[in-house]
Amino acid sequence: QKEVEQNSGPLSVPEGAIASLNCTYSDRVSQSFFWYRQYSGKSPELIMSIYSNGDKEDGRFTAQLNKASQYVSLLIRDSQPSDSATYLCAVNRAGAGNMLTFGGGTRLMVKP
Amino acid sequence: KAGVTQTPRYLIKTRGQQVTLSCSPISGHRSVSWYQQTPGQGLQFLFEYFSETQRNKGNFPGRFSGRQFSNSRSEMNVSTLELGDSALYLCASSPGDLSWQQYFGPGTRLTVT
Repeated sequence: QKEVEQNSGPLSVPEGAIASLNCTYSDRVSQSFFWYRQYSGKSPELIMSIYSNGDKEDGRFTAQLNKASQYVSLLIRDSQPSDSATYLCAVNRAGAGNMLTFGGGTRLMVKP
Repeated sequence: KAGVTQTPRYLIKTRGQQVTLSCSPISGHRSVSWYQQTPGQGLQFLFEYFSETQRNKGNFPGRFSGRQFSNSRSEMNVSTLELGDSALYLCASSPGDLSWQQYFGPGTRLTVT
C-alpha cells in the first residue's frame, strides 16, 4: 500500500461544476496536509494547506481533513478550464521536518 | 519577494558523469528540500537542509548528495550518473519554522544519455 494514494484520473467535469479530488494516507502520525497544482511542464504550486480536522476555505477552493478516516479532499467550486491540471496531495509526518510524501496526483480536466 | 530559483534549467549528461544542481531559496527561508520527479515514480523526497545541516534524507543511493551554504543556497550532486537519473529535479523552499509550507522552484530537467 502506498503511503499517499490518489485516483490518477482523469477526472472530467464541465465548466462551472464542482470538482472533488480525494486523497488517503496510511501514516497515522501525519500532521500536515497540502494540495499542490501542477500544470504540464511546470513545477508544483501550493494552493491549500490544512492541519486540523474540518474544512478550510480559500476562494473557490475548500480543503477537508478527516484524520480518523485518514482522508483529505479538495473541492474546487465553479471549475474553470484554467483549473485543468494535475493535483498533488502531499503529507508531512510529525518529526520529519519538511519532508513531504506525495501521492501520484489526479489529473483534472474541466471542459468548456 | 523573488521566488525560488534553480540553475541550470536544462542539462544533458552522459552515463558515468557527475552533475551539480543549484537552488536559491526565497529570501529569508532557511530550509531547502530537494525532490525528484519522474513519470513512473512521481515526486520523491531526496533530502532537506536546514541551517546548513541535513535534517532529513529520503531513500536514494549515496550517489545523491547535497549541501547548504550559510546564505541558505543549496546544491545537490549526483555522481556516476545512470540513465534512470533522468528526471525533473525540484527544489522547495520553506521558512524552516513549523509552517511546513514549501514553495517549489521551476526545476532542473536532467537528461542522461
